[in-house]
Amino acid sequence: DTAVSQTPKYLVTQMGNDKSIKCEQNLGHDTMYWYKQDSKKFLKIMFSYNNKELIINETVPNRFSPKSPDKAHLNLHINSLELGDSAVYFCASSQDLIFYGYTFGSGTRLTVV
Amino acid sequence: DAKTTQPPSMDCAEGRAANLPCNHSTISGNEYVYWYRQIHSQGPQYIIHGLKNNETNEMASLIITEDRKSSTLILPHATLRDTAVYYCIVRAINQAGTALIFGKGTTLSVSS
Repeated sequence: DTAVSQTPKYLVTQMGNDKSIKCEQNLGHDTMYWYKQDSKKFLKIMFSYNNKELIINETVPNRFSPKSPDKAHLNLHINSLELGDSAVYFCASSQDLIFYGYTFGSGTRLTVV
Repeated sequence: DAKTTQPPSMDCAEGRAANLPCNHSTISGNEYVYWYRQIHSQGPQYIIHGLKNNETNEMASLIITEDRKSSTLILPHATLRDTAVYYCIVRAINQAGTALIFGKGTTLSVSS
């Protein structure tokens, strides 16, 4: 029943590792997003995909690579993890042509040690 | 950068109305005012949005001034579960290629 689901909910990993976070939405929305919330609680847009096409790519290190196999999924792969990557990552979706609002997932807390 | 200004924090007694202000003096004619909230450790949650008329739904009311330069989110009977960070955001409805930009928001603390 969950509208936007992210896995895993928690991720603890060592510096230098490569990890992926998955996101799926069952709302039929056309657009999906990844946001990062750092320790100061600022929510920052990272990427946005519309119908599998990248439309927003903010200033994010190229170690971060989003992948959208279909419009219901947007995964985030992170290479060579660094301590500064520790944050909560939120996936969201929206139907932009008729904007009723974004639906966010519950977040993935990434801790790099 | 966020186009809105909100007080960093507010307190409210349980059962009383919580009135959260937001200034958006540079809002454009095609931009809506959106309110979201983020309860601790959860993803942001959509509350309400409006263009120029006042709006009400099951969660809250939105009052927008006639010149549209400011608005107020009203939680009519605040409960402890309304303790959260509240974000006021302005955005055009058909703004493909952009995303919601979150500012610092207002931390609302509801106490008994």
